[in-house]
Amino acid sequence: DAGVIQSPRHEVTEMGQEVTLRCKPISGHDYLFWYRQTMMRGLELLIYFNNNVPIDDSGMPEDRFSAKMPNASFSTLKIQPSEPRDSAVYFCASSLAAWDEQFFGPGTRLTVL
Amino acid sequence: EDQVTQSPEALRLQEGESSSLNCSYTVSGLRGLFWYRQDPGKGPEFLFTLYSAGEEKEKERLKATLTKKESFLHITAPKPEDSATYLCAVQKQGAQKLVFGQGTRLTINP
Repeated sequence: DAGVIQSPRHEVTEMGQEVTLRCKPISGHDYLFWYRQTMMRGLELLIYFNNNVPIDDSGMPEDRFSAKMPNASFSTLKIQPSEPRDSAVYFCASSLAAWDEQFFGPGTRLTVL
Repeated sequence: EDQVTQSPEALRLQEGESSSLNCSYTVSGLRGLFWYRQDPGKGPEFLFTLYSAGEEKEKERLKATLTKKESFLHITAPKPEDSATYLCAVQKQGAQKLVFGQGTRLTINP
């Protein structure tokens, strides 16, 4: 298995632009998690899905952030409009069950100028 | 509120010099405590899950232990390839998400 796949690996954009991050979880995993990592705040959970359904989005910072999972093999995290404070590394992770270890993707490094 | 505090923030050791990393937690009803390793530019990689006080798990030069208030990651005779950031996370009973600590950045000098 290729593991969790994220794209793009790096994204540089200007303030106000729309950004879409993509994730393909490990096949057969029922849970998908989106995290954001910064030096100041560490690794924070933004939202997670179970069987393509959003379960907890309490970590989503603002209405500018939205996430979807249209099918079991694909999820997106969208930021619109983007702001410089959104600059961070965004990770996607998946797990077989809620209590199992999570497998992380390589991350997307987002820079908003 | 669930809290996870890791110490020290950074640790520099000589190759072969054993030491321990600490993860203190405050959570009402712990279901599991997870340890991850993160290399620069990569996502966290799972190491261990501990479920109850007194439990221990080992992998190569790493051993994780758990008490009711904290977990230790002991590293014995480390090598330069053990250099990484080590993250711990807690999952409470009935919850599905993990709460992560800030991590300990470990550097092993040859």
